[in-house]
Amino acid sequence: QLVLTQSPSASASLGASVKLTCTLSSGHSSYAIAWHQQQPQKGPRYLMKLNSDGSHIKGDGIPDRFSGSSSGAERYLSISSLQSEDEADYYCQTWATGIVLFGAGTKLTVL
Amino acid sequence: EVQLVESGGGLVKPGGSLGLSCAASRFAFSSYSMNWVRQAPGKGLEWVSFISSSSTYIYYADSVKGRFTISRDYAKNSLYLQMNSLRAEDTAVYYCARGNNWNDVDAIDLWGQGTMVIVSS
Repeated sequence: QLVLTQSPSASASLGASVKLTCTLSSGHSSYAIAWHQQQPQKGPRYLMKLNSDGSHIKGDGIPDRFSGSSSGAERYLSISSLQSEDEADYYCQTWATGIVLFGAGTKLTVL
Repeated sequence: EVQLVESGGGLVKPGGSLGLSCAASRFAFSSYSMNWVRQAPGKGLEWVSFISSSSTYIYYADSVKGRFTISRDYAKNSLYLQMNSLRAEDTAVYYCARGNNWNDVDAIDLWGQGTMVIVSS
């Protein structure tokens, strides 16, 4: 069964870097995902599509501070030079014929 | 600016019906697949439905299958969601979202701002 697993929370200091993880369920390590950011009281925002080989296509206007990488069934979102506006919920998304799935989200706190 | 704008949300009684609309602008609406995604208060994102660019392929989450109907109007560059037999658990912000693939489910690459649906007596 296709499932995405994310840690519920993460934190890092202003100006530091953080790496968020999204894990695909067993047997699905070749799947691509997308990362989305949802700032408080706002709608989601597409960040990037991330392939199993680590290649990624970012959305328009997404800063270079955001990057993606992959290792096996793990998909990562790295954010460098953290800013206060990066404090948000981050969701990974994947898909298979007939279905779209989201992870439960990681709440990032910028200290 | 490329955007999606939802409308039609509101308060409805359990068992009632409601129709949502989403107006697309500044992109070739007929070339993209579209989705509805919802978010219950304080909860995460839940995919609801998908429609391919040509309306050939339509999918629903099990939680809404048989109650919700997705459709699109190419002349009006609009996406719709007709919701029937509404339940309290359908209470959520409903987002219109563009798919990255014209014919199949894929990454969502554009989101609307959402419209709130409250199902309560």
